[in-house]
Amino acid sequence: GNSVTQMEGPVTLSEEAFLTINCTYTATGYPSLFWYVQYPGEGLQLLLKATKADDKGSNKGFEATYRKETTSFHLEKGSVQVSDSAVYFCALGGYQKVTFGIGTKLQVIP
Amino acid sequence: GAGVSQSPRYKVAKRGQDVALRCDPISGHVSLFWYQQALGQGPEFLTYFQNEAQLDKSGLPSDRFFAERPEGSVSTLKIQRTQQEDSAVYLCASSLVGGGTYQETQYFGPGTRLLVL
Repeated sequence: GNSVTQMEGPVTLSEEAFLTINCTYTATGYPSLFWYVQYPGEGLQLLLKATKADDKGSNKGFEATYRKETTSFHLEKGSVQVSDSAVYFCALGGYQKVTFGIGTKLQVIP
Repeated sequence: GAGVSQSPRYKVAKRGQDVALRCDPISGHVSLFWYQQALGQGPEFLTYFQNEAQLDKSGLPSDRFFAERPEGSVSTLKIQRTQQEDSAVYLCASSLVGGGTYQETQYFGPGTRLLVL
């Protein structure tokens, strides 16, 4: 079956540091890949998505590239801000459902 | 426009009580999903509707869990005889297209946090 493995947190970074959150997946078929973000006290929000191999999703300075050869979809940002503090979920769009990773908590300190 | 809404936002129930959680999807969205998110975990799929038809209920943890969407819009997740292990956040999501496509983005509501004492 489908599964998503992402690095466990928490991740603590200083403001303006470079961020990488690793995500790998196992899937049948040709899934879409997503990153969702959950800010404190709020619901899940779609951050970015990629629908096929070599696609790059990007939003709010975050990027992730769909790598079929390494079955990965790592999230990156060149310079994080305090406002990026949240829980980030890597997810895989399968038939009729989305499979989520465990979530990685990011804390950015000034 | 309005997003997915859920009510109540918080629910405290005594063990053995029945609860009903409501989801209002984005208007016009064909597909509706329920997920359960335990503390410190990612959301886990419970069930899926396409319009009023429940096409997949493989994630429902027991026969105490029941979901319906009688008119193809609002959905209710009912939990009978609640147990402490049912304590979690219950998330509803909707997407525009039916058919279970791999590509479609799901839009999530804020969730209902259920605490069973």
